[in-house]
Amino acid sequence: DADVTQTPRNRITKTGKRIMLECSQTKGHDRMYWYRQDPGLGLRLIYYSFDVKDINKGEISDGYSVSRQAQAKFSLSLESAIPNQTALYFCATSDSVNEQFFGPGTRLTVL
Amino acid sequence: SQQGEEDPQALSIQEGENATMNCSYKTSINNLQWYRQNSGRGLVHLILIRSNEREKHSGRLRVTLDTSKKSSSLLITASRAADTASYFCATDLFPIMYSGGGADGLTFGKGTHLIIQP
Repeated sequence: DADVTQTPRNRITKTGKRIMLECSQTKGHDRMYWYRQDPGLGLRLIYYSFDVKDINKGEISDGYSVSRQAQAKFSLSLESAIPNQTALYFCATSDSVNEQFFGPGTRLTVL
Repeated sequence: SQQGEEDPQALSIQEGENATMNCSYKTSINNLQWYRQNSGRGLVHLILIRSNEREKHSGRLRVTLDTSKKSSSLLITASRAADTASYFCATDLFPIMYSGGGADGLTFGKGTHLIIQP
C-alpha cells in the first residue's frame, strides 16, 4: 500500500463550490504539507503542519484552509472554488531529516 | 520568496549519454534537494545535499553545491530511457526560521524536462 494517499485523484467542480481534498499517511511522520502545481511550473506551498496543534501558512494560502484531524490526516479545503485554483495538488510528509514523501496528486478542475 | 531556477528548461539526449542540469537560488539555504517527477505523478526524492557539503553521490547521480555562487548541479551518468522525467531542485522556504534543520516547507524551481532518446 502507498505510504501517502490522496482522495479524490481527480475532481471537476464548478465555481463557488466547496471542495475538500484529503490526505492520509502511514509513515508516522509529524510534518505534513499541501502544495499546488500549475502546468510547467514547480510546486508552491499552500499550508504545512508540524503536528496536530500546529498549522502554518505557506506561500499561497489565500482561498484555502486546512484541518489536521490526526497525525495521519491532513485535509485541504477550498471554501469557494474559483477557476484559477485549477491545478494539481500534492500532499507530502516528512520527518526531521528534510526529505519529503509525496502523494500521487489530485487533479482539480474548477469550471 | 526564494526559489530555485533550473537550467536548461528542457534537455534531450541519447541513451547512454550523461545529463547535467543546473539550479540557481537566491538566498542562504540549509540544504538543497533534487526531486524527479514522472508525467503527472508525485515527486520522488533523489538526493539531499547540505550547505556544508560540496559534492554527493547516489548511484548514477552526482550532485554538487557551490554556496558562493548559489548554484547546484545534478549529473545523471549513463542515462536510460527510464530517466525521462522532470527534475526539480528545492530549497528551504524558511531557512532563517528553521535554521536548526527542521523539515519546513520547500520552494521549487520550474524544473528541467529531460528526455532520453532510445
